[in-house]
Amino acid sequence: QITLKESGPTLVKPTQTLTLTCTFSGFSLSNSEEAVGWIRQPPGKALEWLALIYWDDEKHSSPSLKSRFTITKDTSKNQVVLTMTYMDPVDTATYFCAHRYRGYFDYWGQGTLVTVSS
Amino acid sequence: DIQMTQSPSSVSASVGDRVTITCRASQGISNSLAWYQQKPGKAPKLLIYAASRLQSGVPSRFSGSGYGTDFTVTISSLQPEDFGIYYCQQASSYPYTFGQGTKLEIK
Repeated sequence: QITLKESGPTLVKPTQTLTLTCTFSGFSLSNSEEAVGWIRQPPGKALEWLALIYWDDEKHSSPSLKSRFTITKDTSKNQVVLTMTYMDPVDTATYFCAHRYRGYFDYWGQGTLVTVSS
Repeated sequence: DIQMTQSPSSVSASVGDRVTITCRASQGISNSLAWYQQKPGKAPKLLIYAASRLQSGVPSRFSGSGYGTDFTVTISSLQPEDFGIYYCQQASSYPYTFGQGTKLEIK
């Protein structure tokens, strides 16, 4: 059974760096074709895809945010880390990590609400 | 980026009704489309992938169709638990993109 869970701060100040960790079980990012993605959702708004990392360390990210964040994996810990710099109040959102299956996201974490405010 | 446009933005229907939601891509995406259902305070749930393939465990009253730029998800007989917001997502090219959502309410 695949499970994912996001962890990290719930409140960050503007201009600070946000680091979110996705800890998963039920699959391994050392196995071929596996990938984990990050998606966010501002309150009351639609889903926004952020980034994806594959088992072979291939990475893809949203061009509009690419300069601000990085996605990395720690295969031994079954974790994927998303780091976002220069946080702004418009980045306030629930951040989800999800398991990618053939381009789609079949298992999701519960999400973590991150508020950006001074 | 490929833009995904859903219609309608909201729909209200009665139990037993047939409901169809549409998603249009700004360029052809073959059959690389998924549909998700999201309930308040919960993560999205994958319903359909590859435009028409039903995810395991999803009731057969849900079906998807389409190819290229125009796609639909249909609920053949609406049930009370089908309320929520429905999103389409294209997986044809990066960046992956979602539609703006369609809110389904039960009358």
